[in-house]
Amino acid sequence: TQLLEQSPQFLSIQEGENLTVYCNSSSVFSSLQWYRQEPGEGPVLLVTVVTGGEVKKLKRLTFQFGDARKDSSLHITAAQPGDTGLYLCAAPNSGGSNYKLTFGKGTLLTVNP
Amino acid sequence: DAGITQSPRHKVTETGTPVTLRCHQTENHRYMYWYRQDPGHGLRLIHYSYGVKDTDKGEVSDGYSVSRSKTEDFLLTLESATSSQTSVYFCAIMTGTVYNEQFFGPGTRLTVL
Repeated sequence: TQLLEQSPQFLSIQEGENLTVYCNSSSVFSSLQWYRQEPGEGPVLLVTVVTGGEVKKLKRLTFQFGDARKDSSLHITAAQPGDTGLYLCAAPNSGGSNYKLTFGKGTLLTVNP
Repeated sequence: DAGITQSPRHKVTETGTPVTLRCHQTENHRYMYWYRQDPGHGLRLIHYSYGVKDTDKGEVSDGYSVSRSKTEDFLLTLESATSSQTSVYFCAIMTGTVYNEQFFGPGTRLTVL
């Protein structure tokens, strides 16, 4: 069973600060997804990265897929209170059934005004 | 845009009672999923479906059953609820067939007393 380890587990910062959260594994992934979950809601897909070394930007969010496709990072520039939420990484299961996703446990981000 | 409704959104029940949660999608997506989310455990797959009457177990399927008699509806049943099944339950559909991106419903908060 492939595992996705996310760090840090909790992060509390002030508005305007920069931050990076990580998603690591010993397995190689064909692709990797990042979701954000706000309190009381379901996760929402932010981005999918598919190529080793790929960098994708979504406004103030920058996503990077590791060269070896075993890890990924999410960097937020000038964080705002609206960025508060649980950030989850997920990857399709390897082997016979890639119609299932494995999720990391998430990083709970709080951005204080 | 894909749409998912889950019902009920909140439920309190007693140990030993049967409970059925409903997930309804507004489009004809083939794959549907039931997850539970608990602190410290993240999102864990309970069961999934790859078509009408076609279902399979996830990593935490004990104590749960599912049914899918129509493309748009996926039911999760707890035959005899236990306190360990107190959780938030999310339904999801696979909207991206290449990388298995998923779209989540708003969740059902279930409390078993």
